[in-house]
Amino acid sequence: GQSLEQPSEVTAVEGAIVQINCTYQTSGFYGLSWYQQHDGGAPTFLSYNGLDGLEETGRFSSFLSRSDSYGYLLLQELQMKDSASYFCAVKRSNYQLIWGAGTKLIIKP
Amino acid sequence: DAGVIQSPRHEVTEMGQEVTLRCKPISGHDYLFWYRQTMMRGLELLIYFNNNVPIDDSGMPEDRFSAKMPNASFSTLKIQPSEPRDSAVYFCASSLGTSGGVEQFFGPGTRLTVL
Repeated sequence: GQSLEQPSEVTAVEGAIVQINCTYQTSGFYGLSWYQQHDGGAPTFLSYNGLDGLEETGRFSSFLSRSDSYGYLLLQELQMKDSASYFCAVKRSNYQLIWGAGTKLIIKP
Repeated sequence: DAGVIQSPRHEVTEMGQEVTLRCKPISGHDYLFWYRQTMMRGLELLIYFNNNVPIDDSGMPEDRFSAKMPNASFSTLKIQPSEPRDSAVYFCASSLGTSGGVEQFFGPGTRLTVL
């Protein structure tokens, strides 16, 4: 079967660093994407890891380890506007994304 | 570019009625995806098209759901007859084939309520 697991909720303080983990079990794995969704909004693309290692985009970084079937999204210098849900999604060979259930990030001042 | 456009943004209907959701993808994108999002089931892929051709509709819940893409700039998702359990936010997304479907651009969604 196919499954992605990520924590349902994470709480952090403004200005801090937070890591959102994602473990997956799926066939036909090509890479791992991350999306952000604010309440009432649509998912927006953040990053993609097709190879092992770290990808950095500004305050956000994403990591992949294929051997461990594991990835994470790292958010630095947290701002209140980062309060949102974050989804990991596995890219399969057939252009489909298999989505995790999402992690709600709560940021406290 | 205006991004992916969906209409209507909100739809309230009664059980048994036909519902048609509309989507205009980003110009030049050759992949179009229809998703449904609920608290219970999360984000589910219903169907996707490549160059207007349906590629995989295995996510369509049942025969009450149908989707078409008559041309590169328009797609519809139809539910007939609608049921209360169809209440959800329906998203349309488009993507360039060169991205391998990795980066999908989502429309604002249609919030459907079936009474």
